[in-house]
Amino acid sequence: NAGVTQTPKFQVLKTGQSMTLQCAQDMNHNSMYWYRQDPGMGLRLIYYSASEGTTDKGEVPNGYNVSRLNKREFSLRLESAAPSQTSVYFCASSQQGHSYEQYFGPGTRLTVT
Amino acid sequence: DQQVKQNSPSLSVQEGRISILNCDYTNSMFDYFLWYKKYPAEGPTFLISISSIKDKNEDGRFTVFLNKSAKHLSLHIVPSQPGDSAVYFCAASAASNSGNEKLTFGTGTRLTIIP
Repeated sequence: NAGVTQTPKFQVLKTGQSMTLQCAQDMNHNSMYWYRQDPGMGLRLIYYSASEGTTDKGEVPNGYNVSRLNKREFSLRLESAAPSQTSVYFCASSQQGHSYEQYFGPGTRLTVT
Repeated sequence: DQQVKQNSPSLSVQEGRISILNCDYTNSMFDYFLWYKKYPAEGPTFLISISSIKDKNEDGRFTVFLNKSAKHLSLHIVPSQPGDSAVYFCAASAASNSGNEKLTFGTGTRLTIIP
């Protein structure tokens, strides 16, 4: 049982380049999330998807787009990367409802130069 | 505006003693609280949670206390072990009619257990 998987693990981009971070879960969860973690800032929600076919903005959505491809997969796209997007990105999933814990992937460390 | 605050960025505790990590929140709509543990280069993992209808929840060496009137929760680890050295995040959520429940995280406390 893999849980939540993320690819790639590491990525270096030049300013203006684009890329897509992939996330998949095998726990049959309805809800999926994308966070970024920066020093001293904790985990901040970028986008989330409460169910297949729906997505909503979180706290810091600017510069990102998401796609809920199916129930298993939720991707995060940076159309034109900026140095401010240098961060560690985590995908998470959970059962639908506010009293369920979220399960996190191992993270993608992104550097934009 | 930080709705969930962890005011201690770091904490060092002797092995075998009690570790107490604190968390404050400002949003009175929060009714479910969680603690996550994070090792370097790994994703956060769920540790323990508590509903607002309780004031204490215990799981082995880990106990979470909730004081709703003070909008404060704490995580107690007894006895502390070297493997407990990690960053601990407090998180909170509120029920939503739309079904779009989200977690709001604190900034984390780095716990170091000294052998």
